[in-house]
Amino acid sequence: DVKVTQSSRYLVKRTGEKVFLECVQDMDHENMFWYRQDPGLGLRLIYFSYDVKMKEKGDIPEGYSVSREKKERFSLILESASTNQTSMYLCASSLIGIGYTFGSGTRLTVV
Amino acid sequence: KQEVTQIPAALSVPEGENLVLNCSFTDSAIYNLQWFRQDPGKGLTSLLLIQSSQREQTSGRLNASLDKSSGRSTLYIAASQPGDSATYLCAVEDGGSQGNLIFGKGTKLSVKP
Repeated sequence: DVKVTQSSRYLVKRTGEKVFLECVQDMDHENMFWYRQDPGLGLRLIYFSYDVKMKEKGDIPEGYSVSREKKERFSLILESASTNQTSMYLCASSLIGIGYTFGSGTRLTVV
Repeated sequence: KQEVTQIPAALSVPEGENLVLNCSFTDSAIYNLQWFRQDPGKGLTSLLLIQSSQREQTSGRLNASLDKSSGRSTLYIAASQPGDSATYLCAVEDGGSQGNLIFGKGTKLSVKP
């Protein structure tokens, strides 16, 4: 079965910390994505990547960066965490014709 | 810009009822449409994927249809069960935005025993 694994289910970080959210997929998918999900706002795309070392900004990239050094791993980085980045973060991978597979999410709280 | 709308936002039904969830999108230039289920505090589970050239897909008690020309999809759930209670999300893989997924806000379903 296809899997997207997010390293943490819950994280609590302090304002100003640098935060790394890790995502690994075992399906050899080219495409990987980071979304955040907030009540009333739905899912919003932060960054995506169509290949190793490639990245594209989504709808809300401010305050975030990403890294894709290997095909199976896509990391989301919060350079200096702020309270308005408290959210549910969802990683996904996709292949044309197969659709998207999501991880189980990371609930991040910034205090 | 592609927009996806789901109606209703919330739905409560007694166990055993058949029900329909609706999804509409504004731009018919899509690669495919995908229905997901999300339980509280969890990630998204893919239910059905309909390619743009297809009209419907079925999996167990679930059937999803796609009418690309009118910008509509429906998810039909037969003989609903309390375990079906969750939020159902519709998403289109959009041809106009590099194939990214555009989501609706979801329908929160509650099936009462």
